[in-house]
Amino acid sequence: AQSVTQPDIHITVSEGASLELRCNYSYGATPYLFWYVQSPGQGLQLLLKYFSGDTLVQGIKGFEAEFKRSQSSFNLRKPSVHWSDAAEYFCAVDTTDGNKLVFGAGTILRVKS
Amino acid sequence: SQTIHQWPATLVQPVGSPLSLECTVEGTSNPNLYWYRQAAGRGLQLLFYSVGIGQISSEVPQNLSASRPQDRQFILSSKKLLLSDSGFYLCAWSSSTGELFFGEGSRLTVL
Repeated sequence: AQSVTQPDIHITVSEGASLELRCNYSYGATPYLFWYVQSPGQGLQLLLKYFSGDTLVQGIKGFEAEFKRSQSSFNLRKPSVHWSDAAEYFCAVDTTDGNKLVFGAGTILRVKS
Repeated sequence: SQTIHQWPATLVQPVGSPLSLECTVEGTSNPNLYWYRQAAGRGLQLLFYSVGIGQISSEVPQNLSASRPQDRQFILSSKKLLLSDSGFYLCAWSSSTGELFFGEGSRLTVL
């Protein structure tokens, strides 16, 4: 069965510092991969997605992610974090079974000034 | 453009009472619809999904049920709530490329 692992439950970075959130997946074929962001008490917003092609994908709010098949990873990065980036981030893989996404447990990002 | 609405946003219910959460999608036809539950520190758990009117698939055995009476309406229900039903419930629809679009969520507290 497909699974997604986000090893870091919490991450704290200083404003202006770079950020990398880790995501590893387990899936037999080439997956469709997603990163979502959730502000407290709200729904999830899509940051970016990978379907095929260029393994470095750009998203909204200055985020990017790189698909590495050899490592089964899809890590999210941002060169300079802003205080408004504080939120919970979820990585997800599409099972292609009724378009059901499997989500990781999430990483809570705290930004200190 | 497509929009998704769910209500109520917040609900406090006693144990044993019924539940009805509603979700509607606008701007698209025949969407796949989903109910997820989010418990603290546990990510999102898929509860139900539907590929059409009256077609409901349950992912986990539980105290909840779902119905799809109309193409763009998805309802989550319970006859008798348990304490363990507390959580944040998210409705979503999926595009043809598989990405999900979420509603704003419904916070349920069972006392």
